[in-house]
Amino acid sequence: DSGVTQTPKHLITATGQRVTLRCSPRSGDLSVYWYQQSLDQGLQFLIQYYNGEERAKGNILERFSAQQFPDLHSELNLSSLELGDSALYFCASSDNTGELFFGEGSRLTVL
Amino acid sequence: AQSVSQHNHHVILSEAASLELGCNYSYGGTVNLFWYVQYPGQHLQLLLKYFSGDPLVKGIKGFEAEFIKSKFSFNLRKPSVQWSDTAEYFCASFGGSQGNLIFGKGTKLSVKP
Repeated sequence: DSGVTQTPKHLITATGQRVTLRCSPRSGDLSVYWYQQSLDQGLQFLIQYYNGEERAKGNILERFSAQQFPDLHSELNLSSLELGDSALYFCASSDNTGELFFGEGSRLTVL
Repeated sequence: AQSVSQHNHHVILSEAASLELGCNYSYGGTVNLFWYVQYPGQHLQLLLKYFSGDPLVKGIKGFEAEFIKSKFSFNLRKPSVQWSDTAEYFCASFGGSQGNLIFGKGTKLSVKP
């Protein structure tokens, strides 16, 4: 158990819809990262937050947004969903040595 | 931009064979280097990490990696693989101007019993 909690574990929705994925980092970790893993793209970095502020941005689509709240949990919002958004979305937290602790992921299926 | 390259997309070995997975990173300054493993249907877990010191790093489950600064490499090795090592292996680097961990594309390892 990494100490990072993600909900929901599985989500099935339709094209055009909007979903929110939630992540609680390990106790004491200020950084939260979001990654997307799909068969064709591999593991893609989406965005990082540090203590509530956006720290780094990767290949995140404009339809996607994220935030980190004062209690350090984070949410990833995916809107106007397309079939190609079906993927495993991982959250990770870090103590800033670079070592990431990953949650078990949220599997999103867009039909 | 920093990058991490993993040379092998898919490696197939028989049990007891030796394993070496290649990894090269692009950043020339101080980097922290990692190997993560993802077993089928599971999340990524840390195998080992290198921050400084002895360039030969030992990790969990008999894995080790060697940091060679002159070659910008951090190859993963295991002398004798088991069927349970079947997984995807990701090399990653952290350092420089980018505040996030950069992953390679991963290498799938299939071990035949």
